[in-house]
Amino acid sequence: ETGVTQSPTHLIKTRGQQVTLRCSSQSGHNTVSWYQQALGQGPQFIFQYYREEENGRGNFPPRFSGLQFPNYSSELNVNALELDDSALYLCASTRWGSPSIEQFFGPGTRLTVL
Amino acid sequence: KQEVTQIPAALSVPEGENLVLNCSFTDSAIYNLQWFRQDPGKGLTSLLLIQSSQREQTSGRLNASLDKSSGRSTLYIAASQPGDSATYLCAAYYGQNFVFGPGTRLSVLP
Repeated sequence: ETGVTQSPTHLIKTRGQQVTLRCSSQSGHNTVSWYQQALGQGPQFIFQYYREEENGRGNFPPRFSGLQFPNYSSELNVNALELDDSALYLCASTRWGSPSIEQFFGPGTRLTVL
Repeated sequence: KQEVTQIPAALSVPEGENLVLNCSFTDSAIYNLQWFRQDPGKGLTSLLLIQSSQREQTSGRLNASLDKSSGRSTLYIAASQPGDSATYLCAAYYGQNFVFGPGTRLSVLP
């Protein structure tokens, strides 16, 4: 089975612009989560999508939005970029099992906002 | 509030030493706890996953333990090597998302 993939690998934007990051979940995984990791910190939960619906959200403003498609791939959109949005953005897909629930992470997209 | 902390923040050891990384979580209602490795500028590599009903997991030179009642997990690395140098992240899973600690930055000196 293929792993979680993300695109692009790196991205440079200027303040005020909009950006779209993409994630393809692991085969058969219907749940995708997004995390933001600022330099020197642990990842912070942004939101999760389950069967194309948002299924939980962390402490992030509405300018962070997402989509999930019928094939379970997902997009993270960030509007009105701020300098503090510079971070590594990680996508994870969930394998639901009993008793094991496990998340698999992609390699991340490095966003730099100038 | 669900929080995860890790001690120490950074650690530098000579090659060959055994070492212990510590993780604490405030909410004991976890589904599982996972340890990850992260190399500079890279994504997360899963090392060990411990289910809430388990006490420990082992993989090669790595052993992770879990004590839900005290809200603690430890990652033990035996016979450390320079290739083990990385940041180690502990993450508590609560059924929807992970809550990550800030990581321990490990340097193993040859």
